[in-house]
Amino acid sequence: QKEVEQNSGPLSVPEGAIASLNCTYSDRVSQSFFWYRQYSGKSPELIMSIYSNGDKEDGRFTAQLNKASQYVSLLIRDSQPSDSATYLCAVNPGDTDKLIFGTGTRLQVFP
Amino acid sequence: GAGVSQSPSNKVTEKGKDVELRCDPISGHTALYWYRQSLGQGLEFLIYFQGNSAPDKSGLPSDRFSAERTGGSVSTLTIQRTQQEDSAVYLCASSLDGIYEQYFGPGTRLTVT
Repeated sequence: QKEVEQNSGPLSVPEGAIASLNCTYSDRVSQSFFWYRQYSGKSPELIMSIYSNGDKEDGRFTAQLNKASQYVSLLIRDSQPSDSATYLCAVNPGDTDKLIFGTGTRLQVFP
Repeated sequence: GAGVSQSPSNKVTEKGKDVELRCDPISGHTALYWYRQSLGQGLEFLIYFQGNSAPDKSGLPSDRFSAERTGGSVSTLTIQRTQQEDSAVYLCASSLDGIYEQYFGPGTRLTVT
């Protein structure tokens, strides 16, 4: 059973701080990794994709991938209350085009 | 451009009835996916299409669930003889090709009474 694990949270950070969200996956051959943001009652919104080891930055977001450790993370700099949502880690296992999702980490950014 | 659209946005049905959920992917996207999300749960893969064929339908929970895609575009997910455990949000996503990012529609909230 291929799995994607996330801490359910909530992760509470003050406004302006860095939020760090972590994800581990079980299938070593996984090739593609994604972070989605989901506001309550809404559908998931893609915020980052990462395919190779290292860091990828996009605005306030940085995705980090370490395939040897089977670990992917998302850093949100200068966190804002509007960042409060559930963040879903998704992994493409490589043998099929579907995504396997973690159960998500709820982030709360307080003023 | 237009994103993924789904209809209806909400559907309430009686146990035992059949329902059809529709997904219209982003224009030009060849891959289309169906997931469902039960209250407080993660996203569960159901089936995906590449063009009109379904290489992976491993997530369909039972033979009451079926899906088709015609013309490489619109897809319909059909649930026959609905049960209360089918209540969930059904999400459709599309991608340019199977290896690229998936973009989700707004979902259909299905409630079986």
